[in-house]
Amino acid sequence: AQTVTQSQPEMSVQEAETVTLSCTYDTSESDYYLFWYKQPPSRQMILVIRQEAYKQQNATENRFSVNFQKAAKSFSLKISDSQLGDAAMYFCAYRVPNFGNEKLTFGTGTRLTIIP
Amino acid sequence: NAGVTQTPKFRVLKTGQSMTLLCAQDMNHEYMYWYRQDPGMGLRLIHYSVGEGTTAKGEVPDGYNVSRLKKQNFLLGLESAAPSQTSVYFCASTTPRVYGYTFGSGTRLTVV
Repeated sequence: AQTVTQSQPEMSVQEAETVTLSCTYDTSESDYYLFWYKQPPSRQMILVIRQEAYKQQNATENRFSVNFQKAAKSFSLKISDSQLGDAAMYFCAYRVPNFGNEKLTFGTGTRLTIIP
Repeated sequence: NAGVTQTPKFRVLKTGQSMTLLCAQDMNHEYMYWYRQDPGMGLRLIHYSVGEGTTAKGEVPDGYNVSRLKKQNFLLGLESAAPSQTSVYFCASTTPRVYGYTFGSGTRLTVV
């Protein structure tokens, strides 16, 4: 069974600084997608960034970037120039693009606090 | 606005009562999912559907039933609510081999 592990239940960072959230996963599949979702207090699930396993280049979206290490099964999220609006729960998730169900498997989340 | 709509947004039930949560999407997505979110446990899959008239169990299906009579709707039922079902419930939808899910805004259910 696929599992996703986020070992940091809580993290905090000073505003304008950089923070890295960790995620590891376990799978026997070779083709899969990885995601980081943000959940602010509004409860809405917001896609932050995604990575296709077949791509060697790390994904970036403005201040958000990932460090994807396929062999180590590691997928960390780096947030640069942290802003107060980045405060949220962050979930790492995994998905296999087969025609069966394509379900998302989530980690337990990391609560990020931004210190003004 | 296109997306996934969940009703209701909040509900308090007494133990043993029943209720149905409705999820509606207007994006013509084939796949729909019900997740529950509990503190420290992330989102866990309850049931899912890969098409109209089909449903399947996820990771934590006990105590829940689902139906997908129409492609755009996915219903989650609790026949006899228990305090352990106190949670936030999310519906989501997607199309095969498309990267993103679209999530509803969640339903906070409290069973007393």
